[in-house]
Amino acid sequence: EVQLVESGGGLVQPGGSLRLSCAASRFTFSSYWMHWVRQAPGKGLVWVSHINSDGSSTNYADSVKGRFTISRDNAKNTLYLQMNSLRGEDTAVYYCARGVPYFDSWGQGTLVTVSS
Amino acid sequence: EIVLTQSPGTLSLSPGERATLSCRASQSVSSSYLAWYQQKPGQVPRLLIYRASSRATGIPDRFSGSGSGTDFTLTISRLEPEDFAVYYCQQYGSSPPRNTFGQGTRLEIK
Repeated sequence: EVQLVESGGGLVQPGGSLRLSCAASRFTFSSYWMHWVRQAPGKGLVWVSHINSDGSSTNYADSVKGRFTISRDNAKNTLYLQMNSLRGEDTAVYYCARGVPYFDSWGQGTLVTVSS
Repeated sequence: EIVLTQSPGTLSLSPGERATLSCRASQSVSSSYLAWYQQKPGQVPRLLIYRASSRATGIPDRFSGSGSGTDFTLTISRLEPEDFAVYYCQQYGSSPPRNTFGQGTRLEIK
């Protein structure tokens, strides 16, 4: 069974930075597009970013463009999200998810709280 | 950028009834790029339907998807107690490459 395990969430002050990781296992990580999707408390799902299988192409939601950077290390089977200039509205559970054009596997999520 | 609007916001039904959930796109969406997810409280979203009408692995046949263009529908033929959850539609657009979710429909027990 596909396994995706996020880590790196926590409490950070506005303007701060955080780096999320998603460790993948039980599938050929280097063959899949990967995504970050977030969900603010009590709200719906919002796509954040995706990266293609070899890491050569990335895209971002307008709300995070210029502040967040998605990357991957296929040798380590790990997906990353570098989050800079964090704002209160970035508070959410961040999920990594596999696939394109739909998400067939999801991690359990990691909570990011931006607050002073 | 394509916007997905789901209706109704909340649907109150009883077990055994039929549920019809709508997802309307602001522009035409390729059926190949339309999916539905189920999320129960405290749980991770689960893929139900992909390519508008194909059931994901392990999804019961009481779930079905249909539609094309700008109008898509998720139907649950006979509601089971475990079906009460929030449902999201999602589309992938290639120009620019983006993914969009609808705001969700909450299916609650009447």
